[in-house]
Amino acid sequence: DAKTTQPTSMDCAEGRAANLPCNHSTISGNEYVYWYRQIHSQGPQYIIHGLKNNETNEMASLIITEDRKSSTLILPHATLRDTAVYYCIVRGAFSSNTGKLIFGQGTTLQVKP
Amino acid sequence: EADIYQTPRYLVIGTGKKITLECSQTMGHDKMYWYQQDPGMELHLIHYSYGVNSTEKGDLSSESTVSRIRTEHFPLTLESARPSHTSQYLCASSVAGAAGELFFGEGSRLTVL
Repeated sequence: DAKTTQPTSMDCAEGRAANLPCNHSTISGNEYVYWYRQIHSQGPQYIIHGLKNNETNEMASLIITEDRKSSTLILPHATLRDTAVYYCIVRGAFSSNTGKLIFGQGTTLQVKP
Repeated sequence: EADIYQTPRYLVIGTGKKITLECSQTMGHDKMYWYQQDPGMELHLIHYSYGVNSTEKGDLSSESTVSRIRTEHFPLTLESARPSHTSQYLCASSVAGAAGELFFGEGSRLTVL
C-alpha cells in the first residue's frame, strides 16, 4: 500500500472551511484514498473515500488531483467538535491486505473560536 | 451508528494477571481487527481475522492472542499482563470485499501496574 504524507498540525477558525492536504505520490491505479478522524483517543471514525473522482457526503468533500498523487479533505464549515486527528490512508482494493488500514501520524486539526 | 462494542472500557490490573478484552459486533461483518495505540501515537494493527476460525498477526508484534469462534465475537487475551502492555486497544470490523470502511469500537484502555 502506498505511503502518505500529511502536515503534523493545522489550525482553522470556527465556521471557516478546513482544507487538509495529503500527498500519496506512489499511489497505484487500484488504490483508494480513505480519510478517518480520531477525536480525543476515541475509536477512529470513517469520513470519506474515493478512487479518482471527487466525492462529497454529509461530513466532507474529497478532492483528488488528476494525477492522483495528492488529495484534499475539505470540511466546509468547521466547528469546535471537528477538532481531531485526521488520517489519510491509501489502500489497495484487491490486495492481499484487503481490509487492513495502516494509520500514520495524521494531521492534528485544531478548530479555534 | 456503528454496532461494535468493547468491554471493559477501562481496566487497571496487576502484573501477571490474565486478561481478556471483549469485542462484539452485530453487523454480520466477516472481517475484524485489533489495533493498539499508545497515547499520542499511531495506531498499530496487531491482529486481524477474515472470518470464523481465521486469525492472523498484524504488522506490530504482540504477546496477545485472539480467537474467532463466532462471527460476531473477537476477543483478545493476554495470558500474563506486564506494564509494557499498558495501552489502548481498539477493535474494528468491516464487510468483506473491496473498499469497505472500518467501524471502530470505543476502545479498551488497559493499565498494568
